[in-house]
Amino acid sequence: AQSVTQLDSQVPVFEEAPVELRCNYSSSVSVYLFWYVQYPNQGLQLLLKYLSGSTLVESINGFEAEFNKSQTSFHLRKPSVHISDTAEYFCAVSDIDSGGYQKVTFGTGTKLQVIP
Amino acid sequence: ETGVTQTPRHLVMGMTNKKSLKCEQHLGHNAMYWYKQSAKKPLELMFVYNFKEQTENNSVPSRFSPECPNSSHLFLHLHTLQPEDSALYLCASSQDPGQLNYGYTFGSGTRLTVV
Repeated sequence: AQSVTQLDSQVPVFEEAPVELRCNYSSSVSVYLFWYVQYPNQGLQLLLKYLSGSTLVESINGFEAEFNKSQTSFHLRKPSVHISDTAEYFCAVSDIDSGGYQKVTFGTGTKLQVIP
Repeated sequence: ETGVTQTPRHLVMGMTNKKSLKCEQHLGHNAMYWYKQSAKKPLELMFVYNFKEQTENNSVPSRFSPECPNSSHLFLHLHTLQPEDSALYLCASSQDPGQLNYGYTFGSGTRLTVV
C-alpha cells in the first residue's frame, strides 16, 4: 500500500523568503509523484510532477521539487515566495492498483501562509 | 477554468431535501472521481468511475448515490444528509485510468452546507 506524509500542516513565511514544503512517501513499487496547489475557494491544480528522468522538476511559477529515492522524499521548494503563493499544497503519489487502474493517494496538505 | 465544471458552486440543503451535484468534462478523459474535502481532514476519495463503470466505492453511506451516464458527466445524488456531510465536494477526471503520467484535473468544487 502506498502512503504520503506531509509533516507540516501550516508553514508561515515572509514574502521573498525561501520555503520548503516536505513530502515523504512509501510505496512497494515504482511511483509517480505530484504536487497540487489549492487556492482559496477553488479545486486542486496540478503544479508539477515527477515521472522519470531528471530528479529535479520545475513548475512555470518558480516552484521546484526534487525526487530523492533513497530518502523517499519529494520536497517542494521555492527560493523567493510571493503573496500570491498563499495556498494549500498537496503532495500525491500514483501507481496502478490490482485492477489495472490508476490509484492516487494524497497527503493531508500544507497551508503556506506568505506574510507581507 | 480547468476543463472540469462543477455545478452548483454553493448549495445549502436541509436534512430532508434531495439534491444533485453535477460534474462535466469535455477533455476526452475516461476516468472520473468524487472527493470530499472537509476542514482539517485529508482529502477523501468517495467514488471512481473508469470508462463509465464504477470501480471503487470507499464505504460511502448510501445517502450519497453516484451516477455516470457517459464519460463526460458525473452526478452525485444526495438525500437525507447529515450536518457532518457539509464539505467541499470535488470532482476530478484523468485521461486514461491505466496510465500514471497525466495526473488529475479538478473542478472548482461544490461547497455543500447541510442545515
